[in-house]
Amino acid sequence: GAGVSQSPRYKVAKRGQDVALRCDPISGHVSLFWYQQALGQGPEFLTYFQNEAQLDKSGLPSDRFFAERPEGSVSTLKIQRTQQEDSAVYLCASSSQGRTEAFFGQGTRLTVV
Amino acid sequence: AQRVTQPEKLLSVFKGAPVELKCNYSYSGSPELFWYVQYSRQRLQLLLRHISRESIKGFTADLNKGETSFHLKKPFAQEEDSAMYYCALKGSQGNLIFGKGTKLSVKP
Repeated sequence: GAGVSQSPRYKVAKRGQDVALRCDPISGHVSLFWYQQALGQGPEFLTYFQNEAQLDKSGLPSDRFFAERPEGSVSTLKIQRTQQEDSAVYLCASSSQGRTEAFFGQGTRLTVV
Repeated sequence: AQRVTQPEKLLSVFKGAPVELKCNYSYSGSPELFWYVQYSRQRLQLLLRHISRESIKGFTADLNKGETSFHLKKPFAQEEDSAMYYCALKGSQGNLIFGKGTKLSVKP
């Protein structure tokens, strides 16, 4: 595809439910980032992959959050036992090796009820 | 600490008026700064970066290390400039550290 693709676009989860958010980066992009954007805030860094290696997960807010990129392309962000404070837009971005420009997906809006 | 501050949540101007969106940063070392824009119902996209010293859609931004600022300017605002603008700083892992954003509203 032409850009970063995220699915689903919208997700409503009941509190306590597990969710999985998918990110399809631009083909060939080595770096992949996940961000969380709460209402009225800027995006906040969650985790970073270079190929299949998760090099930084310092932004994950709790051990309920888990991300993987097993083959170095598609990535999944999983949130276990969702809480209301997890409600946010989750953004994925990718960039090619040696380039600083990151391309963002449309995001997944998660609402926990 | 690495931090980006955008002091204005909302900036409202009339078409043709000058625009300045403020951004201040905190970073030890040589910072790499960006402006991202998000138009209504569109994805976040790069507007410009300080290392390119370019002008995009009439916008410019100059890095002022003395004042730790990277303000975004345009001499004559257009209605199509209405959007959310985010200032961002490149972190140590290549991740971006964003400000909270400024909503620019350009009135006819």
